[in-house]
Amino acid sequence: QQQVKQSPQSLIVQKGGISIINCAYENTAFDYFPWYQQFPGKGPALLIAIRPDVSEKKEGRFTISFNKSAKQFSLHIMDSQPGDSATYFCAAIWGQKPSGGSYIPTFGRGTSLIVHP
Amino acid sequence: DAGVIQSPRHEVTEMGQEVTLRCKPISGHNSLFWYRQTMMRGLELLIYFNNNVPIDDSGMPEDRFSAKMPNASFSTLKIQPSEPRDSAVYFCASGREGPRSSQYFGPGTRLLVL
Repeated sequence: QQQVKQSPQSLIVQKGGISIINCAYENTAFDYFPWYQQFPGKGPALLIAIRPDVSEKKEGRFTISFNKSAKQFSLHIMDSQPGDSATYFCAAIWGQKPSGGSYIPTFGRGTSLIVHP
Repeated sequence: DAGVIQSPRHEVTEMGQEVTLRCKPISGHNSLFWYRQTMMRGLELLIYFNNNVPIDDSGMPEDRFSAKMPNASFSTLKIQPSEPRDSAVYFCASGREGPRSSQYFGPGTRLLVL
């Protein structure tokens, strides 16, 4: 069962454009939503994260928008650059560890972003 | 901080051989994760350790896979015998266990089983 659904699977954007990646989750017990960026040949690296008590978080050209009622969150990359070309993963983590459970992130399937010069 | 260290970075082996992947987590982190990444299946969690104890190994595909964490600074993932379908990139990640914790991934081991 996929608890975090990520779309699109791939995305091509022109330099200077806006890249938008969407994620939807099912379990309202999730309380922390990080995004990871993975360059070819490297491991995923934490990019930006949001808590459900805020609707938006911005770090430079990267913004997370969060819609708690819709159980959706998205990553916006403004003024996309060729150096942003990478695979992006959204994730969700429990706010309170369930009985017998653990704080293991649930990852989306990833979005391959290509930014053309 | 050196980050998560994995070795080897690349491994090519023949079907039936034993493969051992190694991981050194970031000092002070008490959670360690092993992941497998393929084009078909994406990023899959294989096993999760907390304070050196295996907590969740439900992602380990079969008995050919085993993982150990003898101390806080070292973990291994072993495949015996290896099969071509085990070809993938294997990542180790570490973190501090908690509700808003982040994971720090190593560079991965690219495994090719011929």
